[in-house]
Amino acid sequence: DAGVTQSPTHLIKTRGQQVTLRCSPKSGHDTVSWYQQALGQGPQFIFQYYEEEERQRGNFPDRFSGHQFPNYSSELNVNALLLGDSALYLCASSSSRGLTSYEQYFGPGTRLTVT
Amino acid sequence: GIQVEQSPPDLILQEGANSTLRCNFSDSVNNLQWFHQNPWGQLINLFYIPSGTKQNGRLSATTVATERYSLLYISSSQTTDSGVYFCAPEGGYSSASKIIFGSGTRLSIRP
Repeated sequence: DAGVTQSPTHLIKTRGQQVTLRCSPKSGHDTVSWYQQALGQGPQFIFQYYEEEERQRGNFPDRFSGHQFPNYSSELNVNALLLGDSALYLCASSSSRGLTSYEQYFGPGTRLTVT
Repeated sequence: GIQVEQSPPDLILQEGANSTLRCNFSDSVNNLQWFHQNPWGQLINLFYIPSGTKQNGRLSATTVATERYSLLYISSSQTTDSGVYFCAPEGGYSSASKIIFGSGTRLSIRP
């Protein structure tokens, strides 16, 4: 059973560029959440997708957007990259029942460096 | 939203020692998870424990939801236990489906 997968593993971009990160959830999961983890800090919630819609959003600007596909996989897009967007981006998948999502499983992350 | 406080922030122990990590949270929670982040950044699920006590080998966890805290116990520490331990509660109805991470406890086990 494949766990959560993310691509790419590493990415280097220049300020002002746009980036797309991808996530495939664990088999049987229908909910995908994205997190940003800066060096030395805990992961910060960006948003969560369920039934192809954004269900919850953290305190991130509109430059951060996402999408969920019918097969439950998801993309995170970041526009107009800033140096401060350099971080480890983590995807987590879970199953949902009503408004509650259950145990979350994390992928290995994508390390984004903005120069 | 929920505030999460973990203590201690750093802990250095000799191999074989026992430790207790604490997580306090400011509001009622639906669920709570403990994770271990290894040096490569992978978050590894340890416990899914909204209440009560669970054990898995040398690790155990207790959540007392009514008093808004959770504890992670590590016994007979090994060097492979080194890393950062995160507590992540999921909020109540008003903030459903969003888990909030604490700032973590960095554990270093010396051989």
